[in-house]
Amino acid sequence: SQQGEEDPQALSIQEGENATMNCSYKTSINNLQWYRQNSGRGLVHLILIRSNEREKHSGRLRVTLDTSKKSSSLLITASRAADTASYFCATGSYSGAGSYQLTFGKGTKLSVIP
Amino acid sequence: IAGITQAPTSQILAAGRRMTLRCTQDMRHNAMYWYRQDLGLGLRLIHYSNTAGTTGKGEVPDGYSVSRANTDDFPLTLASAVPSQTSVYFCASSLTGGYQETQYFGPGTRLLVL
Repeated sequence: SQQGEEDPQALSIQEGENATMNCSYKTSINNLQWYRQNSGRGLVHLILIRSNEREKHSGRLRVTLDTSKKSSSLLITASRAADTASYFCATGSYSGAGSYQLTFGKGTKLSVIP
Repeated sequence: IAGITQAPTSQILAAGRRMTLRCTQDMRHNAMYWYRQDLGLGLRLIHYSNTAGTTGKGEVPDGYSVSRANTDDFPLTLASAVPSQTSVYFCASSLTGGYQETQYFGPGTRLLVL
């Protein structure tokens, strides 16, 4: 079952603009992570935000987490053509067997037009 | 080797045939994972292993088996492939499988079952 759901499914912006992607989830989490996937490649970790954090920055990335609304957002400022990729949120939680697992959303496909 | 490697890069397989997807990591990570990625469904966990000698089932384990004889290798076997197993398969690893960890992904294997 999908825990995180990204919105929008696809986003097209001009280079230099900001891009905002949202993620909603259903159950309690320990943390939420964002990953990036370039076309035809594996996922690359971008940032992790813990359940007791509200905002986190990394370079041009800003992530917020609202546990009361069960939602997170990823903001990429001053976008570049090289930011074109799919972005996934992943929520972490313990399975019934006691193993910690990530559940990924379906992703937002970002296109940055030069 | 740097990070995670997967082999083969791509494969066309006749239905009913047996196939093993290979995954090797050189980061001495204890935890390893297999995901499949399908259009519109995101990534789904097939099997995982928190340490050599142990494995567990993920969200979609049916039709797949894994083994973890040592720390570095985590092969995924399709005993008798079916067309619904057409997908892109990603292997990933993390240090211990703990709840604050980043997962590192391989480049993927693209499998077409006819």
